[in-house]
Amino acid sequence: DVKVTQSSRYLVKRTGEKVFLECVQDMDHENMFWYRQDPGLGLRLIYFSYDVKMKEKGDIPEGYSVSREKKERFSLILESASTNQTSMYLCASSLPSRGTEAFFGQGTRLTVV
Amino acid sequence: SQKIEQNSEALNIQEGKTATLTCNYTNYSPAYLQWYRQDPGRGPVFLLLIRENEKEKRKERLKVTFDTTLKQSLFHITASQPADSATYLCALDMSTGANNLFFGTGTRLTVIP
Repeated sequence: DVKVTQSSRYLVKRTGEKVFLECVQDMDHENMFWYRQDPGLGLRLIYFSYDVKMKEKGDIPEGYSVSREKKERFSLILESASTNQTSMYLCASSLPSRGTEAFFGQGTRLTVV
Repeated sequence: SQKIEQNSEALNIQEGKTATLTCNYTNYSPAYLQWYRQDPGRGPVFLLLIRENEKEKRKERLKVTFDTTLKQSLFHITASQPADSATYLCALDMSTGANNLFFGTGTRLTVIP
């Protein structure tokens, strides 16, 4: 069964902390994505990667960075967490070709206090 | 500006009836359009994909239409069941540019027994 696994379901962090969200996929997909999902705003793309060590900014990259050292792993880093980064974070992966589905992880509900 | 709108935030329907969800977009030219299902606290799960040159696609009780002139997709669930209750997201897959999906905000469907 194909899988995208996010390291935590729930996370509570303090303002100013550095936060790491990890995502691993077992499908050998080239593309990996990080989205955040907020009520009324839908899924918004933070960063994506189409190859190891490659990354591209999405619509809302400010306050975030990413790392992809291995094909199967894509990490999202909040350099200094703020309360407006409280959200549901979703990782996804897909093949590089057009018209293919994205596979999502179960999500990480991050609360910054 | 670019926009993806799903007809309503919430839709209630009686069991056994056909649910129809709408996805409208402006200032996009997607090559493909995808529909996902998302249960509370979970990541989206892919349901169906339709190409720009296809008018209609079916899968079991699901039917999707795609009208590139109207810039609209309709998603139908026939003989709806309480287990169909979830949030449904449409996603646009562009033919050019970075390989990622642009999501609507979703419609929360409740099927009443």
